[in-house]
Amino acid sequence: EPEVTQTPSHQVTQMGQEVILRCVPISNHLYFYWYRQILGQKVEFLVSFYNNEISEKSEIFDDQFSVERPDGSNFTLKIRSTKLEDSAMYFCASKPGGTGNTIYFGEGSWLTVV
Amino acid sequence: SQKIEQNSEALNIQEGKTATLTCNYTNYSPAYLQWYRQDPGRGPVFLLLIRENEKEKRKERLKVTFDTTLKQSLFHITASQPADSATYLCALVRNSGYALNFGKGTSLLVTP
Repeated sequence: EPEVTQTPSHQVTQMGQEVILRCVPISNHLYFYWYRQILGQKVEFLVSFYNNEISEKSEIFDDQFSVERPDGSNFTLKIRSTKLEDSAMYFCASKPGGTGNTIYFGEGSWLTVV
Repeated sequence: SQKIEQNSEALNIQEGKTATLTCNYTNYSPAYLQWYRQDPGRGPVFLLLIRENEKEKRKERLKVTFDTTLKQSLFHITASQPADSATYLCALVRNSGYALNFGKGTSLLVTP
């Protein structure tokens, strides 16, 4: 069964460094997402991406964050100048076209900022 | 503001019993509602979607109800098994229609 794959599974970075989290969504899906889950808290929406542009972003997704789909398969989340509070699990997700479809999540990238 | 509220406390039940989880929402007018399962350290996995014109939806041992008047969904697992132990998330589509908002989830523990 097709799945969303994410790398790395775990990354430790120094505060102030930049990190790039990578995702390969399910092929033929049209909508792509990044979510974040701080330990013990709920899954929070960061950004959605459709037709090669951001379709929506939450208040969390400020100038520190950016997304890119550099080729036909990869979808990346860049976090600049990381802060301690950026430590979280970051989930990539994708969805086929149309309304009412479910969202398929990857297994997450656990980011620890020290 | 929009809110999705789920039982904040963990639910502990005995194997074979029916687990019932609640999702209440405010300031949404959802065309549909979804339930996901999340295991520790893993991504959410879709379980069921119920539309506003459906009162009830079933899938194997799972049953979901949706009451748009009460602004509530109930999620039932019948004949529960220890393998059902997980956190169950309620999700509603954001106003933009592109993404989902999730509740904090209810942790279910099924003991033998």
